[in-house]
Amino acid sequence: QQQVKQSPQSLIVQKGGISIINCAYENTAFDYFPWYQQFPGKGPALLIAIRPDVSEKKEGRFTISFNKSAKQFSLHIMDSQPGDSATYFCAAGAYNTDKLIFGTGTRLQVFP
Amino acid sequence: DSGVTQTPKHLITATGQRVTLRCSPRSGDLSVYWYQQSLDQGLQFLIQYYNGEERAKGNILERFSAQQFPDLHSELNLSSLELGDSALYFCASSVGTGGAITYEQYFGPGTRLTVT
Repeated sequence: QQQVKQSPQSLIVQKGGISIINCAYENTAFDYFPWYQQFPGKGPALLIAIRPDVSEKKEGRFTISFNKSAKQFSLHIMDSQPGDSATYFCAAGAYNTDKLIFGTGTRLQVFP
Repeated sequence: DSGVTQTPKHLITATGQRVTLRCSPRSGDLSVYWYQQSLDQGLQFLIQYYNGEERAKGNILERFSAQQFPDLHSELNLSSLELGDSALYFCASSVGTGGAITYEQYFGPGTRLTVT
């Protein structure tokens, strides 16, 4: 019940295309859903986060879509660029804990 | 640059040994978290300290321990090291405590531990 399932494991997208990464969770106590971006040799960096009271949040080319009833959320990267090539992790946190549960990661490669 | 610093960057040691990893949180952050990242396990939460006191515990082995000092830096001690402990160890910090919804976590660059 504490798991966050992330897919796909890897993704190859052409420059200018849309990258979509999906996550699903079971624990209804989760109420904070961040996405982290990690480049090789670096620590994960907070990219964008959403709370369950909204269905979508957009920051630049990055959008989180959230479906509370399905307990799913996804990251959309519009106009994907080679510089977006990285590993992306979704995560979930509950209101009564600071602990974040991470998905297994998606390795995104954007080719020019 | 997240503002979280970790030392050392790389550590190579032998099985059975003990090592200490160090983390300095962002200025003003009171919470420190430790994570282990390995190829087959992803990012695993180990332990959290808030203002010097243990706040939450995850899948941390008994051979591992941590503490947070009065100046808020934290150390993760790994003892009786095994080959399977080889991984990236990340420290993260946040402003406070009371729920992930309020306090964003910022990660350091990590320490790569190799046990031979």
